[in-house]
Amino acid sequence: SQKIEQNSEALNIQEGKTATLTCNYTNYSPAYLQWYRQDPGRGPVFLLLIRENEKEKRKERLKVTFDTTLKQSLFHITASQPADSATYLCALDPRGNSNSGYALNFGKGTSLLVTP
Amino acid sequence: NAGVTQTPKFQVLKTGQSMTLQCAQDMNHEYMSWYRQDPGMGLRLIHYSVGAGITDQGEVPNGYNVSRSTTEDFPLRLLSAAPSQTSVYFCASRTRLSGNTIYFGEGSWLTVV
Repeated sequence: SQKIEQNSEALNIQEGKTATLTCNYTNYSPAYLQWYRQDPGRGPVFLLLIRENEKEKRKERLKVTFDTTLKQSLFHITASQPADSATYLCALDPRGNSNSGYALNFGKGTSLLVTP
Repeated sequence: NAGVTQTPKFQVLKTGQSMTLQCAQDMNHEYMSWYRQDPGMGLRLIHYSVGAGITDQGEVPNGYNVSRSTTEDFPLRLLSAAPSQTSVYFCASRTRLSGNTIYFGEGSWLTVV
């Protein structure tokens, strides 16, 4: 069966350091992978999308890598700030089709806490 | 644009009662879906729709009904509420034009006692 695994333990880091979150998957052939942020009591918010033919994607302090051989994505937040504290979710299209359109499968998320 | 709007925000039901969670989007998105989120389980897909008049089941559809009479609205109906349906429910929408990004509502917290 298809599985998406993210670190279940919370990640605690000091402000200014780089946070690295991991997403591993099995039995998927994804055309792309997405990362979302979720704050307590709120809905998830889209952050970044990386396609299968892209090794790395950046957006401001965020960087995502995608290794389809290892079946893994890494999500980095550089120069982390307390405001980055949230749960981060990785998501894949179960059909592996960029135009399937209907929904994504989500990992359970990793909680990040950045302390001053 | 309001985005994806869900109502109610909070609801307490008694076992066996029925209710409808409302979801509306004003972005003219063709695809809409409902997820539930439980501790330790992550987001799980309940039902989805790829356009008005078309719906299909997701991973955990039992106990829920949906309809899509318009592009904008996608209500989720609980037929006979059970304590196992205590959860946070998220409605979401997307369009091919948005590059496969999903837009979520703010969630509906449902407690069944």
